[in-house]
Amino acid sequence: DVKVTQSSRYLVKRTGEKVFLECVQDMDHENMFWYRQDPGLGLRLIYFSYDVKMKEKGDIPEGYSVSREKKERFSLILESASTNQTSMYLCASSEGQVYNSPLHFGNGTRLTVT
Amino acid sequence: AQKVTQAQTEISVVEKEDVTLDCVYETRDTTYYLFWYKQPPSGELVFLIRRNSFDEQNEISGRYSWNFQKSTSSFNFTITASQVVDSAVYFCALSERGAGANSKLTFGKGITLSVRP
Repeated sequence: DVKVTQSSRYLVKRTGEKVFLECVQDMDHENMFWYRQDPGLGLRLIYFSYDVKMKEKGDIPEGYSVSREKKERFSLILESASTNQTSMYLCASSEGQVYNSPLHFGNGTRLTVT
Repeated sequence: AQKVTQAQTEISVVEKEDVTLDCVYETRDTTYYLFWYKQPPSGELVFLIRRNSFDEQNEISGRYSWNFQKSTSSFNFTITASQVVDSAVYFCALSERGAGANSKLTFGKGITLSVRP
């Protein structure tokens, strides 16, 4: 089974802090994704990566950046955390094209910015 | 632009009832894929099914069944004889092939299903 592991289940950070959310997958998948999930808004794509060092913006990239130095690891960075970034963050990976490949998700990181 | 509508936000049923979760989509493409995912209280979304636009056959997997109708742009999900373990948030999603290396996947807002004992 594909395993997508997010380093933290819960995080509490202060406004203005730099925050790193880490995600590792163990199935050699090309694609990795970061979503945020908010009540009433569903899942919104922040960034995705289709190869090492490659990234593309999703629907809501503002205030975020990403890093993919190794195929198995995809990091989401909040350069200066703000309270409106309090949310559930979900990492996912897939093999092949997003077009027809199921996503494999991690358990999520619930981030609170105070 | 593609769009996925899950009009039901919350559904509550008693165990052993049948329940149908609706999904209506909009797309201009003739070639696309539809997905259902389940998110139990633990938080991890789990893939349930994928269907491509050329395959309108309904699918049954145990107590789960899916009804894909292109004529009404719907991909509904029915749980027969619901169980408490079916309590979760269910997401429908649509993907189209994009112009670049990857396409866009759009999720609906999700339906929270509560199954009471």
